Amino acid sequence: DVKVTQSSRYLVKRTGEKVFLECVQDMDHENMFWYRQDPGLGLRLIYFSYDVKMKEKGDIPEGYSVSREKKERFSLILESASTNQTSMYLCASSKQGMGNQPQHFGDGTRLSIL
Amino acid sequence: DQQVKQNSPSLSVQEGRISILNCDYTNSMFDYFLWYKKYPAEGPTFLISISSIKDKNEDGRFTVFLNKSAKHLSLHIVPSQPGDSAVYFCAASESGSGNTGKLIFGQGTTLQVKP
Repeated sequence: DVKVTQSSRYLVKRTGEKVFLECVQDMDHENMFWYRQDPGLGLRLIYFSYDVKMKEKGDIPEGYSVSREKKERFSLILESASTNQTSMYLCASSKQGMGNQPQHFGDGTRLSIL
Repeated sequence: DQQVKQNSPSLSVQEGRISILNCDYTNSMFDYFLWYKKYPAEGPTFLISISSIKDKNEDGRFTVFLNKSAKHLSLHIVPSQPGDSAVYFCAASESGSGNTGKLIFGQGTTLQVKP
């Protein structure tokens, strides 16, 4: 079974802080993704990565950056946290090739910015 | 620009009856469609998918129908059970996205199955 682990389930930070969200997957997946989920807006893609050190912007990258130094780990960084970044953050991974592959998600990090 | 739309924010169904969740898309290049289920405080879990070369895919109580000409897909759950109460997301991707596996998600529909 695919396991995607997000380092924190709940996190509270202050405005202006630099925030790190960590995600690790154990199935040797090439693709990794960061989403945020907000009521009525569904899942919106922030950044994704299809290989180590490779990253691409999703639909809402402003205010975020990412790091993929190892294949199994994908980090989301809030450079200077703001209250409008209070949200549920979801990490996912998927395998490349072999036709279409579903993404597998972690349990999410509920981030509150005060 | 919302390329995948779930126009019904919520749906309430009696246990044992059929639940039908709908999804519309605008991008004719989409060729792979998925449904995910999400319980509160958990990540979405993959439920069922369909390729654009098919118009129906069935897995137990879950069936997904695809109408390419209408750019519409639906998820049927028969019979519905209280444990099916969750948020359901549809998602789509196109082969042109290469190997990135990028998905576009709808806004979600909250299903409540009443005992």
